[in-house]
Amino acid sequence: EPEVTQTPSHQVTQMGQEVILRCVPISNHLYFYWYRQILGQKVEFLVSFYNNEISEKSEIFDDQFSVERPDGSNFTLKIRSTKLEDSAMYFCASSEGAGRGEKLFFGSGTQLSVL
Amino acid sequence: ILNVEQSPQSLHVQEGDSTNFTCSFPSSNFYALHWYRWETAKSPEALFVMTLNGDEKKKGRISATLNTKEGYSYLYIKGSQPEDSATYLCASITGANNLFFGTGTRLTVIP
Repeated sequence: EPEVTQTPSHQVTQMGQEVILRCVPISNHLYFYWYRQILGQKVEFLVSFYNNEISEKSEIFDDQFSVERPDGSNFTLKIRSTKLEDSAMYFCASSEGAGRGEKLFFGSGTQLSVL
Repeated sequence: ILNVEQSPQSLHVQEGDSTNFTCSFPSSNFYALHWYRWETAKSPEALFVMTLNGDEKKKGRISATLNTKEGYSYLYIKGSQPEDSATYLCASITGANNLFFGTGTRLTVIP
């Protein structure tokens, strides 16, 4: 069964460093998303992406964050200058469409630890 | 931002018991409600996407109901098995397909 893959599974970085989290969505999907979960809190929406541009973004997704689809398969989340509070599990997801009954397919996440 | 709440936060049941948990969400401007099953170290897996008031969906021993007028959904597991142990997340959704999640119900099924 097709799946969303994320790399790396764990990333440790120093505060102020840039990180890039990588995702390979399901190949025929057109909509891509990033979510995150800070330990003990709810899973939160960051950004959605369609047709090579951001569709929606949350308040969390400030100028420190950016997303890109550099080629036909990868979808990346970049955090320019990491802060301690960016430590979280980051999930990539994709969906075929954006219709009302559309399921999202999630990857298994990248655990980001900022020291 | 949609405020989605789930209860209980955690639940321990004996193998063979049936159980249920609740998701509550804002009923105004309802669009869709998702249930996900999330096992540790794995991807959250979609169980159900529900859109209509009165919807009932079933997948094996797991079923869900939806009441959009009062803003709640129930997830039922019949005859719980150890492999049902997971966190069950519900999420309400705006028209833009942005999911707003509850905190989840962590289910442990004791053999």
